[in-house]
Amino acid sequence: GENVEQHPSTLSVQEGDSAVIKCTYSDSASNYFPWYKQELGKRPQLIIDIRSNVGEKKDQRIAVTLNKTAKHFSLHITETQPEDSAVYFCAAKAYNFNKFYFGSGTKLNVKP
Amino acid sequence: GAVVSQHPSRVICKSGTSVKIECRSLDFQATTMFWYRQFPKKSLMLMATSNEGSKATYEQGVEKDKFLINHASLTLSTLTVTSAHPEDSSFYICSARDPLTGVNEQFFGPGTRLTVL
Repeated sequence: GENVEQHPSTLSVQEGDSAVIKCTYSDSASNYFPWYKQELGKRPQLIIDIRSNVGEKKDQRIAVTLNKTAKHFSLHITETQPEDSAVYFCAAKAYNFNKFYFGSGTKLNVKP
Repeated sequence: GAVVSQHPSRVICKSGTSVKIECRSLDFQATTMFWYRQFPKKSLMLMATSNEGSKATYEQGVEKDKFLINHASLTLSTLTVTSAHPEDSSFYICSARDPLTGVNEQFFGPGTRLTVL
């Protein structure tokens, strides 16, 4: 099965700086890669996703890049704000399977 | 986006009792729902895939007789933790896909905090 690894486990940045979270996956059949933000005690919320036919996707301060050859994808948050503080999860899914495989999560702390 | 609800949000029970958790898709029909377990400061661990009208598919290491899943309708899946023990205490989250919005996106419920005394 798929194995998704995520780094770092914790990340602390100053407000206004950029934050980068990286994930690797093992199954070359995976072709959909969402990122979720989870605030304490709340449900995960999809913030951005990317399909394998695209190398990069951007939505305002958030961007995701995908390197299919190396099997890794990254989340980039620019101009971080305190409200970006949360736990972020990456995930991978193959087209013909329902299952999502999640990374271990990154706790992002944005210091004002 | 689509809305998924869970009930109850919190439950405290005595060891040995059974607890039922409901997951509902409120504005769409979900042929497939997923049940996850999340330990404090840990990731989401997929427990099983709930399929409407058929048996659930359990992940390796998850006891199907311990965690009973029933997906009786297109909007409701239930997870029953049978003979609960303190080690079953956890945060349980369900998710569902809306086939009409696309194959990939899934929506999470708010979760159920189970505490077994």
